[in-house]
Amino acid sequence: GAGVSQSPSNKVTEKGKDVELRCDPISGHTALYWYRQSLGQGLEFLIYFQGNSAPDKSGLPSDRFSAERTGGSVSTLTIQRTQQEDSAVYLCASSLGGGGQTQYFGPGTRLLVL
Amino acid sequence: RKEVEQDPGPFNVPEGATVAFNCTYSNSASQSFFWYRQDCRKEPKLLMSVYSSGNEDGRFTAQLNRASQYISLLIRDSKLSDSATYLCVVLSGSARQLTFGSGTQLTVLP
Repeated sequence: GAGVSQSPSNKVTEKGKDVELRCDPISGHTALYWYRQSLGQGLEFLIYFQGNSAPDKSGLPSDRFSAERTGGSVSTLTIQRTQQEDSAVYLCASSLGGGGQTQYFGPGTRLLVL
Repeated sequence: RKEVEQDPGPFNVPEGATVAFNCTYSNSASQSFFWYRQDCRKEPKLLMSVYSSGNEDGRFTAQLNRASQYISLLIRDSKLSDSATYLCVVLSGSARQLTFGSGTQLTVLP
């Protein structure tokens, strides 16, 4: 079946511009996660959506970062006024439920801020 | 101190070798533990869960030591295709979040 998809796969932007990254989770998965991975680094948790509950935004690094999940499915991560340090791979994952259930990752969006 | 710490490596081993990775975690209330594998420029994928009694999946053996708060992954008879970064992952009890280690890089040499 279809896995997690993300778009765009690559994004180059200029410092100060806003970007939107999209994630389509696996159908039926109630939990959706966003992570950031810088070159050679581990995954940094950003935000977690579980069903209709309020999202856990504890990982967002600044108020320039926000995310939405509409209709319990597609999610959009928005970065406003991008900075060079925002350059990273942004990974989305979904799981059937929350907690420790297996997370299935999308291929990621490689963001480069010039 | 990081919540989940791993030796970043790299580990370079010959084909057929046995290699072991360790990982330590700081939250004693952590409940679930996993190893994920990430190939170069690819997304992470679940390799195996780690159970309290230890568990084996083919050439891979995972063990958990709650008293010392560490998890291990043993790979026997390593193959070229095992070359990847291995991520130690812990479910933190309070936040119900998976916390990923920075990964241990393995290269299996012919």
